[in-house]
Amino acid sequence: AQSVTQLDSQVPVFEEAPVELRCNYSSSVSVYLFWYVQYPNQGLQLLLKYLSGSTLVKGINGFEAEFNKSQTSFHLRKPSVHISDTAEYFCAAQNSGGYQKVTFGTGTKLQVIP
Amino acid sequence: ETGVTQSPTHLIKTRGQQVTLRCSSQSGHNTVSWYQQALGQGPQFIFQYYREEENGRGNFPPRFSGLQFPNYSSELNVNALELDDSALYLCASRRSTGRTDTQYFGPGTRLTVL
Repeated sequence: AQSVTQLDSQVPVFEEAPVELRCNYSSSVSVYLFWYVQYPNQGLQLLLKYLSGSTLVKGINGFEAEFNKSQTSFHLRKPSVHISDTAEYFCAAQNSGGYQKVTFGTGTKLQVIP
Repeated sequence: ETGVTQSPTHLIKTRGQQVTLRCSSQSGHNTVSWYQQALGQGPQFIFQYYREEENGRGNFPPRFSGLQFPNYSSELNVNALELDDSALYLCASRRSTGRTDTQYFGPGTRLTVL
């Protein structure tokens, strides 16, 4: 079984300020980790993913995330946010085996303030 | 664009009715998963089909069923609709190669049950 916890339901941040969205996971097996973004009334868009290798993963739109195995975390960061980053962000964990079930967190709403 | 489409975009039904939602995947994507996203929540895994057979299921009752067709399209059927079935339904497809496969999401179908 696996679970994903997103520690903040909402994160307000001023434009051009840095932001960190937190994600912790637990799993009895190896997992792969993802961040997705969802804009209003749209589906999910993949931001970045960690499968193996370097623990610092770079994604689209200037986002990056760091996998920390000892802390079972996969926090998402961006050094300078834009108004267009206002959206909901979901962290997800995917089983490395079996039918590769994906478990999502409850989401973090990022609100960028002008 | 993910190459995954869903129809219809919106749907209104009444309690007790039946509904069929459709998904069209990218060519070559032999695996499709369906998710339910209630308002303010993360997506919840319903089930997954691989080569036209269900090979994984989340915590959803049997009145949620599916089909996958050889032409990379699939359906989600829900019988005896309940008010709590109101949600955004997302399909996601990938080409399973035995290794970790990134899944691509469609834009979703928003179902309202009155």
